[in-house]
Amino acid sequence: AQSVTQLDSQVPVFEEAPVELRCNYSSSVSVYLFWYVQYPNQGLQLLLKYLSGSTLVKGINGFEAEFNKSQTSFHLRKPSVHISDTAEYFCAVSLSGYSTLTFGKGTMLLVSP
Amino acid sequence: DVKVTQSSRYLVKRTGEKVFLECVQDMDHENMFWYRQDPGLGLRLIYFSYDVKMKEKGDIPEGYSVSREKKERFSLILESASTNQTSMYLCASSLQTSRGPVSSFFGPGTRLTVL
Repeated sequence: AQSVTQLDSQVPVFEEAPVELRCNYSSSVSVYLFWYVQYPNQGLQLLLKYLSGSTLVKGINGFEAEFNKSQTSFHLRKPSVHISDTAEYFCAVSLSGYSTLTFGKGTMLLVSP
Repeated sequence: DVKVTQSSRYLVKRTGEKVFLECVQDMDHENMFWYRQDPGLGLRLIYFSYDVKMKEKGDIPEGYSVSREKKERFSLILESASTNQTSMYLCASSLQTSRGPVSSFFGPGTRLTVL
């Protein structure tokens, strides 16, 4: 079975600083990878996804992620964060061809002025 | 715009009550899911469905059942609510393509409190 590890439960950062949220997965077969964001009192919104092709994936709100197969990682990055990026971020994996997602435990990004 | 709606944002029930959580999607998606979200645990899959009248257990199905009588509607049922089922419940749907499923779309969630 696949699993997802988000190494940081909280990441505090100042506004306009760069940020990286880390995600590692384990699976013996091909996977699809996703990052979702959850703003307070809302459902999850897709930020970006990797299905195949280029390992650098660009998403909404200036976020990007890089798929690294050898390190089984899919870290999320943004070069300059805003206060409005304060939210919880979830990394998720699904086996290729299957629809169910396995989620990490989430990383709370706290952006302060 | 893609839309997944859940019948209630907040719900308070008593121990032993039968609870129905309803989810409707307007995208003609084949796949529908129920997750629960708890602090520090992320999202865990309760049940999912690939088609009408079909259901599959997820990682934590105990204490729950589901119903999918129509393609657009997926109901989660707590037969006898218990306090450890106090949680945020999230419904999602996804389209099945020839390449496999595409990304899931989530509803706003139902925060259930069982007293």
